[in-house]
Amino acid sequence: QVLESGGGLVQPGGSQTLSCVGSGFNFGGISMNWVRQAPGKGLEWLAVISRYSNSIHYADSVRGRFTIFRDNSRNTVYLQMSSLRTEDTAIYYCVKEEPNGYRYGLDVWGQGITVIVSS
Amino acid sequence: DVQMTQSPSSVSASVGDRVTISCRASQPINNWLAWYQQKPGKAPKFLINGASNVQGGVPSRFSGTGYGTDFTLTISSLQAEDFGTYYCQQGYSFPLTFGGGTKVEIK
Repeated sequence: QVLESGGGLVQPGGSQTLSCVGSGFNFGGISMNWVRQAPGKGLEWLAVISRYSNSIHYADSVRGRFTIFRDNSRNTVYLQMSSLRTEDTAIYYCVKEEPNGYRYGLDVWGQGITVIVSS
Repeated sequence: DVQMTQSPSSVSASVGDRVTISCRASQPINNWLAWYQQKPGKAPKFLINGASNVQGGVPSRFSGTGYGTDFTLTISSLQAEDFGTYYCQQGYSFPLTFGGGTKVEIK
């Protein structure tokens, strides 16, 4: 399973870092993703980091503002968010990639953590 | 970026009905297509990958077909617990992209 933490209320222009701890699988051998869902909206993929952090991809909507990184010694992946906008308000999901790779889907989802960007 | 378009956006059907959801990619994606089910207030659940590979524990009434740009999720006999929103997602290239979702309601 995966478990997110670090959400909450943040002011526009501010920063927040989300954490996600994985357990029950070989965390260091799997790519990890972040996906978000704005209130009443669909799913938006945000970022992926490979097992050794040597391959990282971002959605255009967050590139340059969000940074994904991981610490395999702590079985944890992070999403550092800066220059936050009201439109970043969403439930953020930490999601494990299917063991055969990104083309095979996202098989384990966290329960989600809420980030509200508001003054 | 590969755009994913789902139809219909919502469907209302009775228990026992056959329900079909379509998903179209803006360019060919081979069979790198996954389906998810999301119930209100819950995280999405992984149903199908490789367009037709149903995940373990998913009821056999769920099936997927398609290749290239056109894909279909079928619920052969709708059950009460199948309500929720269904999303397709392409795994062909980054950024990964989802369809807009299809809300399934039980009449």
